[in-house]
Amino acid sequence: QKEVEQNSGPLSVPEGAIASLNCTYSDRGSQSFFWYRQYSGKSPELIMFIYSNGDKEDGRFTAQLNKASQYVSLLIRDSQPSDSATYLCAVSLGGSQGNLIFGKGTKLSVKP
Amino acid sequence: EAGVVQSPRYKIIEKKQPVAFWCNPISGHNTLYWYRQNLGQGPELLIRYENEEAVDDSQLPKDRFSAERLKGVDSTLKIQPAELGDSAVYLCASRSTGHEQFFGPGTRLTVL
Repeated sequence: QKEVEQNSGPLSVPEGAIASLNCTYSDRGSQSFFWYRQYSGKSPELIMFIYSNGDKEDGRFTAQLNKASQYVSLLIRDSQPSDSATYLCAVSLGGSQGNLIFGKGTKLSVKP
Repeated sequence: EAGVVQSPRYKIIEKKQPVAFWCNPISGHNTLYWYRQNLGQGPELLIRYENEEAVDDSQLPKDRFSAERLKGVDSTLKIQPAELGDSAVYLCASRSTGHEQFFGPGTRLTVL
């Protein structure tokens, strides 16, 4: 059974702080890793993807991948109340074209 | 560019009744996905189409669920008969040649 594990939270951080979201996956054959944001009652939207070990930065967001530890994380710098949402980690065995396996998501709350 | 369109947005039915969901993907997107998202969970893949061909339906409960994608564009997902446990949000997503899956707004199904 291929699994993607996330702490369901809620994770609460003050406005302006760094929010750190973590995800582990079970299948070492996983090739691509995605972070989706889902606001309450809305559909998921892609924030970032990462394929290689190390860090990938996009604005206030940084994705970190450690394949040896089967661990991927998302850092949100200067957190804003508008970042309050559920963050879904997803992995693909077949690269970017493969099917996605989603975690349950971590609910983030940014307090003003 | 118009996004993924789904209808209806909400559906309430009694158990044992049939129900159908419709999806119109983004124009030019050959890959279409149907997901089911239960409350507090991440989306779970039901079926994936490449053009009109269902390339992965391993997670589709075939005793009661069926899907079609005529002419490789619109798709319909059907449940017959519905059970209480089918209450969930049914998401349609589409993808072109890149990595990003674009999700529709979903259909929230309630089975009474």
